[in-house]
Amino acid sequence: AQSVTQLGSHVSVSEGALVLLRCNYSSSVPPYLFWYVQYPNQGLQLLLKYTTGATLVKGINGFEAEFKKSETSFHLTKPSAHMSDAAEYFCAVSERNNRLAFGKGNQVVVIP
Amino acid sequence: EPEVTQTPSHQVTQMGQEVILRCVPISNHLYFYWYRQILGQKVEFLVSFYNNEISEKSEIFDDQFSVERPDGSNFTLKIRSTKLEDSAMYFCASSGGQGPYNEQFFGPGTRLTVL
Repeated sequence: AQSVTQLGSHVSVSEGALVLLRCNYSSSVPPYLFWYVQYPNQGLQLLLKYTTGATLVKGINGFEAEFKKSETSFHLTKPSAHMSDAAEYFCAVSERNNRLAFGKGNQVVVIP
Repeated sequence: EPEVTQTPSHQVTQMGQEVILRCVPISNHLYFYWYRQILGQKVEFLVSFYNNEISEKSEIFDDQFSVERPDGSNFTLKIRSTKLEDSAMYFCASSGGQGPYNEQFFGPGTRLTVL
């Protein structure tokens, strides 16, 4: 069965510093991987996804993630944090169906 | 921009009562989903729905849960006899097609509190 691990429920980052959120997955088949973001009082919004092809995936708002099969990872990065990046971030995996399996999420706090 | 909406934003109920959580998916979408997140835990898949039928459900989705598309716009989740452990944030989602190539669009959630 597919699953996702996100460590560190709260992540603090200084404005302008690198944002790095780690995601490791387990899947019995080649996975499809996703990062979602949730701003206060809003729904989960897709940041980016990996299905097939290029392992470095670029998303909205300057975020990107790299699929590394050997490490079973799909870490999310952004070179320079903005105050507007304060939100909760969820990594998710899907196998061949519609079911998404999510990690616990990372609450990102941006320090001015 | 089209969006998924959910009502109410917060529902408080007594244990044993029935609750209905409502969702209005994006109008041209055909696939609908419910997920939930118990406080401090992962977002969990409950059920997917297509063509007026459940297409997949998780082990969580037992006989106390049901889903319905009563008209052309609403998609509901009913919990027949709520338990304390049903307290969670419930998210509705919809997509235009099946599978991971079709983005699931999520609503803002309904926070259910069972007392």
